[in-house]
Amino acid sequence: NAGVTQTPKFQVLKTGQSMTLQCAQDMNHNSMYWYRQDPGMGLRLIYYSASEGTTDKGEVPNGYNVSRLNKREFSLRLESAAPSQTSVYFCASSGGVSRDEQFFGPGTRLTVL
Amino acid sequence: GESVGLHLPTLSVQEGDNSIINCAYSNSASDYFIWYKQESGKGPQFIIDIRSNMDKRQGQRVTVLLNKTVKHLSLQIAATQPGDSAVYFCAETAGDYKLSFGAGTTVTVRA
Repeated sequence: NAGVTQTPKFQVLKTGQSMTLQCAQDMNHNSMYWYRQDPGMGLRLIYYSASEGTTDKGEVPNGYNVSRLNKREFSLRLESAAPSQTSVYFCASSGGVSRDEQFFGPGTRLTVL
Repeated sequence: GESVGLHLPTLSVQEGDNSIINCAYSNSASDYFIWYKQESGKGPQFIIDIRSNMDKRQGQRVTVLLNKTVKHLSLQIAATQPGDSAVYFCAETAGDYKLSFGAGTTVTVRA
């Protein structure tokens, strides 16, 4: 099992450009999450999907949209990137034997110029 | 708002010594707590968890203690090794699928 995979690993955007971060999990988990991590800070929840077909805002949703494409895939879209969105983005999933334990992907390092 | 936080941003420990990392939380409704380890350039990795109906849980070289009276939990690492150098985060949830993370403690192991 690959666990949680994310693409791309690195990305540089110019202000105003758009892009989609991809995430997939092969653990048959129901719930998936997107976090951002800024230097010296913990992870902050952007959006989550408790189950296929549902999405909800987290702590910092402004400037982002998400799509739960199917049970495996959960994408994060930046419609018009801003320098404040420069961060490392992590996708996670949960819903195995221990409902609350979240498994994280390797992250996408995004720089917005 | 309510949040989870760590007492110290950095901890330097001699190889072979025991490490203690502390975390305070303020949400009295939290019922599940997790410690994560994050190595440079990687995503957080689960270490150990504890539910609010317990006050202690042990794993391999790690122990988590939960004191609900003062809303405090700690992670103890026995015989700290160079591979334990990382950032450690505590996280808590009240069962609503949302984890709240503290800012993290950077542990550096001295040879």
